[in-house]
Amino acid sequence: GNSVTQMEGPVTLSEEAFLTINCTYTATGYPSLFWYVQYPGEGLQLLLKATKADDKGSNKGFEATYRKETTSFHLEKGSVQVSDSAVYFCALPNAGNNRKLIWGLGTSLAVNP
Amino acid sequence: DGGITQSPKYLFRKEGQNVTLSCEQNLNHDAMYWYRQDPGQGLRLIYYSQIVNDFQKGDIAEGYSVSREKKESFPLTVTSAQKNPTAFYLCASILTGQELDGYTFGSGTRLTVV
Repeated sequence: GNSVTQMEGPVTLSEEAFLTINCTYTATGYPSLFWYVQYPGEGLQLLLKATKADDKGSNKGFEATYRKETTSFHLEKGSVQVSDSAVYFCALPNAGNNRKLIWGLGTSLAVNP
Repeated sequence: DGGITQSPKYLFRKEGQNVTLSCEQNLNHDAMYWYRQDPGQGLRLIYYSQIVNDFQKGDIAEGYSVSREKKESFPLTVTSAQKNPTAFYLCASILTGQELDGYTFGSGTRLTVV
């Protein structure tokens, strides 16, 4: 079945630093890929997505490019803010059942002023 | 505004007790999910339901039960058979065929065994 591997945290950065959170996947075919974000004490919310190879998803200054050659979907932001402190999850649909998502373990990000 | 409401936000359970976590949505979503979140383990699927009066076990269903008598509601019961229930529980929903729009999550219930 499909699977996803996400870099371990926690990641601690200073404000305005560059952020990369690595995500690699194994999948049958070319499923859609997702990044979700969980702010402290809350549920998850969709941050961005990409539906096919070479697509770039973007939202709130975050970007991720669907790279089939390296089976990766790394999350990046050029200048993080304290308000970006959260847990970030990479996800993709389960093989044969796109109503179930396979989740990465999550990467905790702390941004210091 | 439409959304998912989980209640209570905090719940304390004594050993041997069953407790029920509420999940209600007014989004007209047909599919609903329950996840358990533990530190360092990401999200693990407990149960999901794609239609009223039907549900399927997820990866860690043992010690849990659900019902789906109404489209809007998907309560989760943590039974005494669940030996380590202390965790953060998240309910989610989605409209079948709209998976690219992303799942809507509730704000979670934190369950603690005392």
